[in-house]
Amino acid sequence: GAGVSQSPSNKVTEKGKDVELRCDPISGHTALYWYRQSLGQGLEFLIYFQGNSAPDKSGLPSDRFSAERTGGSVSTLTIQRTQQEDSAVYLCASSFTGQETQYFGPGTRLLVL
Amino acid sequence: AQSVTQPDIHITVSEGASLELRCNYSYGATPYLFWYVQSPGQGLQLLLKYFSGDTLVQGIKGFEAEFKRSQSSFNLRKPSVHWSDAAEYFCALILTGGGNKLTFGTGTQLKVEL
Repeated sequence: GAGVSQSPSNKVTEKGKDVELRCDPISGHTALYWYRQSLGQGLEFLIYFQGNSAPDKSGLPSDRFSAERTGGSVSTLTIQRTQQEDSAVYLCASSFTGQETQYFGPGTRLLVL
Repeated sequence: AQSVTQPDIHITVSEGASLELRCNYSYGATPYLFWYVQSPGQGLQLLLKYFSGDTLVQGIKGFEAEFKRSQSSFNLRKPSVHWSDAAEYFCALILTGGGNKLTFGTGTQLKVEL
């Protein structure tokens, strides 16, 4: 079956612009996660959605970052007023429940000029 | 706070040689442990996982890992490396009962010499 998909695969933006990154989880998976992979910080957790529960936003680095998940499926990560330090690969993952293996998408490579 | 340490940033092995990638964790209890592999330009693929039970776990692509509670380690092994195994390997953990967010090590880049 289809895996986790993310779009766009690459995004180049100018400092100060807003960007939206999209994640389509595996059908039927109730849990969705966002991670960031950067040279300086490695792989870091950003946010976690589980069903209808309030999301765990404990990994978001600043209030410029937000995410939503509509209809329990697709998720959008929004970065407002992008900074050069936001340049990274943003990875999305999903799992069947909140206690199962996470399956990762190919990521969105973000470059802020 | 919990942490994962992968002491080897880069490892080079010859094709056909055995491989061991080290992973140590710091956490008060036994976490759930994972090994993921990332090929260039690709997402993360799960190799194997340990939740409980048998401390020697088998994964895909001929990999195995052994959980050693006394050493807080979860080392990844493969008896004979193939050139296609060249990639970056990440050890990760999830806290038991503490949500489902992965904490990753810094990764080990594996190079395979033909």
